[in-house]
Amino acid sequence: ETGVTQTPRHLVMGMTNKKSLKCEQHLGHNAMYWYKQSAKKPLELMFVYNFKEQTENNSVPSRFSPECPNSSHLFLHLHTLQPEDSALYLCASSQVGTAGTGELFFGEGSRLTVL
Amino acid sequence: GQQVMQIPQYQHVQEGEDFTTYCNSSTTLSNIQWYKQRPGGHPVFLIQLVKSGEVKKQKRLTFQFGEAKKNSSLHITATQTTDVGTYFCAGVSNSGYALNFGKGTSLLVTP
Repeated sequence: ETGVTQTPRHLVMGMTNKKSLKCEQHLGHNAMYWYKQSAKKPLELMFVYNFKEQTENNSVPSRFSPECPNSSHLFLHLHTLQPEDSALYLCASSQVGTAGTGELFFGEGSRLTVL
Repeated sequence: GQQVMQIPQYQHVQEGEDFTTYCNSSTTLSNIQWYKQRPGGHPVFLIQLVKSGEVKKQKRLTFQFGEAKKNSSLHITATQTTDVGTYFCAGVSNSGYALNFGKGTSLLVTP
């Protein structure tokens, strides 16, 4: 138990579906992240939120839409995905201060398969 | 943007042999972190290095941060089957705190 909970753990969707991934952290951290992990590009940073504000978007296609309603919750909305988007999506949180970030705490991940 | 390169990509050793993975950055890093991911699991934090030339040890694991703060290494002495997994280094991205990960080194240890 890392204090970061992701749901669902597994998701299969068609290319025309709309689905969402959810992440919740119980650690009181002020930053949350989405990472994509696939065989070709392990641990690719997608989005960063600090105090609910998006501070980084690593050229992610618009079919991925993040939402951070508060500092404990992070969503990744998925729409018209492609088969190459199949991957493990990892959420993480950390405490960011003046010295930078502390360690990242990862959730178990959501394994996405796009048919 | 800041790039973190890791070598080797894979390493297969016999139990008891040593193992080293190397991490190199295109830019100076404020700090570097190391993570381990077991097969089927998620990355777990191992250590953070901040100072130039820093060396830290955790039992059989030795972590080093280069003098120029552009490279780092992780050395495992006398590997065990429990060391199996992928080891990632991570440096800070342009936001100033988000981590960009290397591609990782996958370690396989056979008894």
